[in-house]
Amino acid sequence: EIVMTQSPATLSVSPGERATLSCRASQSVSSSLAWYQQKPGQAPRLLIYGASTRATGIPARFSGSGSGTEFTLTISSLQSEDFAVYYCQQYNSWPPWTFGQGTKVEIK
Amino acid sequence: QVQLQQSGPGLVKPSQTLSLTCAISGDSVSSNSAAWNWIRQSPSRGLEWLGRTYYRSKWYNDYALSVKSRLTINPDTSKNQFSLQLNSVTPEDTAVYYCTRDAVAASFFDYWGQGTLVTVSS
Repeated sequence: EIVMTQSPATLSVSPGERATLSCRASQSVSSSLAWYQQKPGQAPRLLIYGASTRATGIPARFSGSGSGTEFTLTISSLQSEDFAVYYCQQYNSWPPWTFGQGTKVEIK
Repeated sequence: QVQLQQSGPGLVKPSQTLSLTCAISGDSVSSNSAAWNWIRQSPSRGLEWLGRTYYRSKWYNDYALSVKSRLTINPDTSKNQFSLQLNSVTPEDTAVYYCTRDAVAASFFDYWGQGTLVTVSS
């Protein structure tokens, strides 16, 4: 099973600043990497798939990069609605599809 | 617009069967491109993919090894929905359960149900 490790666990950022979140895979997942945003009491929402392709309706301030074992989600200018928990998920190696433990982006 | 509406009990006794249903609107459970999944989330295990059902001229199912012996996912074409049955539950199965769509069976999830908190307790 591929283990996904996210860092940091918590990121404190001021509104308008850039946020950079990391996700590392225990072995290569090529570009089969997705990012999700989850707010309290809600289901996760797909942001990015294929490591860098934004899902439908996702603002351009969200961008993804990386391949192999190292991936990054960047939020270029944090808005109030972006404070949430972010998860990465690999879908290269099955079974099973696996998720990271999450990075909480909080207001500084 | 795809919508997934979950239903089922929020409390299950240990050793009994956990049953949930996911009603689909805006797509078909018999789609030849999508796959229909169950995922759960708990503080101890995080997000955990459990299994899926999909149709490609016939029905297929895939299950996570951790639950394979206890889990059944069934499509219901007459009601355009799919279900989860998890047998012999323990308190470790306490979690929020989500149904999801994987639009192209590539195994990322573009639509999610609202989630159902299921507590296993006597």
